Amino acid sequence: GQNIDQPTEMTATEGAIVQINCTYQTSGFNGLFWYQQHAGEAPTFLSYNVLDGLEEKGRFSSFLSRSKGYSYLLLKELQMKDSASYLCAVMDSNYQLIWGAGTKLIIKP
Amino acid sequence: SQTIHQWPATLVQPVGSPLSLECTVEGTSNPNLYWYRQAAGRGLQLLFYSVGIGQISSEVPQNLSASRPQDRQFILSSKKLLLSDSGFYLCAWSVRGTDTGELFFGEGSRLTVL
Repeated sequence: GQNIDQPTEMTATEGAIVQINCTYQTSGFNGLFWYQQHAGEAPTFLSYNVLDGLEEKGRFSSFLSRSKGYSYLLLKELQMKDSASYLCAVMDSNYQLIWGAGTKLIIKP
Repeated sequence: SQTIHQWPATLVQPVGSPLSLECTVEGTSNPNLYWYRQAAGRGLQLLFYSVGIGQISSEVPQNLSASRPQDRQFILSSKKLLLSDSGFYLCAWSVRGTDTGELFFGEGSRLTVL
């Protein structure tokens, strides 16, 4: 079966750095996505990785290792507004997105 | 610019009643359209997707149905709601013909079935 695993919840301090991991087992691979979802709102796109390595976008970076079936989202200089759920999703060989359950990130002052 | 809207935002319905959630996209043509359901503690579940008018693919058998009467309109319906239909429903669109698959989501509709 297809499976996406990510931690249920993480806590970090304002101004610090946090890494959210995602491991996957899917039928084929056509890219990995990270989305941010604030409570009660719709998810919004953060990043897309299809090749191994690190993609950096401002305070957010996403890393992919296809051989290990592993990705992480790195958030630097954490702000209170970063408190949200972070969803990992993998596009399989049929170009369908398989979603993880999301990681709820709690930022403390 | 492209926008997507879905409504109603919140809905409380008795068991056995009908349902209609509507979604429209503006500023793009021929989008791929999706209906997802999000249950607490679980990943997004794809319910239906459509690549064109009248073309609907169902991913999960259930008492829900979808229709696409116009290119940029996607409707989620049920004739008789079940308690298990409660959840957060999200409409989304993506650009057809690209492999990046980035999804743009509507605001969401929270359905509570009592």
